[in-house]
Amino acid sequence: EVQLVESGGGLVQPGGSLKLSCAASGFIFSGSAVHWVRQVAGKGLEWVGRIRSKAKNYATVYDPSVKGRFTISRDDSKNTTYLQMNSLKIEDTAIYYCTGVAVIGAYSWFDPWGQGALVIVSS
Amino acid sequence: QSVLTQPPSVSGAPGQRVTISCTGSNSNIGAGFDVHWYQQLPGTAPKVLIYGNNNRPSGVPDRFSGSKSGTSASLAITGLQAEDEAHYYCQSYDNSLSGPWVFGGGTKLTVL
Repeated sequence: EVQLVESGGGLVQPGGSLKLSCAASGFIFSGSAVHWVRQVAGKGLEWVGRIRSKAKNYATVYDPSVKGRFTISRDDSKNTTYLQMNSLKIEDTAIYYCTGVAVIGAYSWFDPWGQGALVIVSS
Repeated sequence: QSVLTQPPSVSGAPGQRVTISCTGSNSNIGAGFDVHWYQQLPGTAPKVLIYGNNNRPSGVPDRFSGSKSGTSASLAITGLQAEDEAHYYCQSYDNSLSGPWVFGGGTKLTVL
């Protein structure tokens, strides 16, 4: 079964740091890009960032709202991607999803999705 | 404010047809980038409903269909069922200063 499982969510104070993990199983993780998407409670989906595979030099790209504060990395030996979040702000409070990329021909979309990790930034 | 604009809510009675619009611009949908649709049931992660503008993954009923024209896209649901009540999001790619991958604000479908 293709699956992504996030962990590491929790409560952190403004200005603090937190690191989320996303463990993959059931597919060739090392060859796939991984994205992070977040969702504020009761709101819509917001793309956060992406890391590509080793073949693509582990290239990363981030949304301007998190660039310079968030860092995505991966350890292919552990089939795991990480989202390091520093200088957290109250507005970063959200459920964070990791997603793989499904490809058929010229089309690519977000699939599969993890179950989400809740991050609460509050004093 | 989302780069792609969706109506906040739509509703319909069981058996009816509803459509959800997704309006973009010349930096995303109008630039030829594909549109994908996701369904999010309460308390769960999103799952793809339509990929590549009008393609259904295996397991998605043919009651769901997608289309794209110009700077907009639409999701149509026919023969509404109670289990279709969910949030629906369109997603595309944008080549302007915003994050490359963009979502619509989401539409809550209520089955009356």
